[in-house]
Amino acid sequence: SQKIEQNSEALNIQEGKTATLTCNYTNYSPAYLQWYRQDPGRGPVFLLLIRENEKEKRKERLKVTFDTTLKQSLFHITASQPADSATYLCALLKTSYDKVIFGPGTSLSVIP
Amino acid sequence: EPEVTQTPSHQVTQMGQEVILRCVPISNHLYFYWYRQILGQKVEFLVSFYNNEISEKSEIFDDQFSVERPDGSNFTLKIRSTKLEDSAMYFCASSRSGLGAEAFFGQGTRLTVV
Repeated sequence: SQKIEQNSEALNIQEGKTATLTCNYTNYSPAYLQWYRQDPGRGPVFLLLIRENEKEKRKERLKVTFDTTLKQSLFHITASQPADSATYLCALLKTSYDKVIFGPGTSLSVIP
Repeated sequence: EPEVTQTPSHQVTQMGQEVILRCVPISNHLYFYWYRQILGQKVEFLVSFYNNEISEKSEIFDDQFSVERPDGSNFTLKIRSTKLEDSAMYFCASSRSGLGAEAFFGQGTRLTVV
């Protein structure tokens, strides 16, 4: 069955460093991969979308890579700030109209 | 900035009762979705809705669930006979052209079944 895995442990990093979060998937061939941010008790907030034919996407301090051979996406936050502390969700879609399948999320804490 | 609005923010109901969760999607969006998140677990897809009909539903979305777009603005999720295990955060989402584009999620309704 389809499986999405993200960093199992919470990630703690020092302010100013680059945070790197991992998303691995099996038994799935997504055409799209999304990253969301979720704060406690709130809904997911869309951050970035990357298509299967794109290797890398950037938006301000965020960078996403998508390796369909490795079945992996990496999500980077450069120059991290305490305000970046949240849970980050990886999500996959087979088509643009498909349901989103979410990973379990990785909790990130940026320490001042 | 446009946003998806959900009401109520918190609903407590007795087991066996019917509940209706309400959502106002962003006005020019065409695709609507319900997701749920049991406390401490991942966000799970329930149903997608387009052109006034269900386009896809998960195995969670059984006969006790239904969705409706009763007018041009509201999108509702009805749970007919609630069970304890329906306790979760329910999120509505909308997008203009499917979730391959930017998707907007509401703040959620916390449903507690007692």
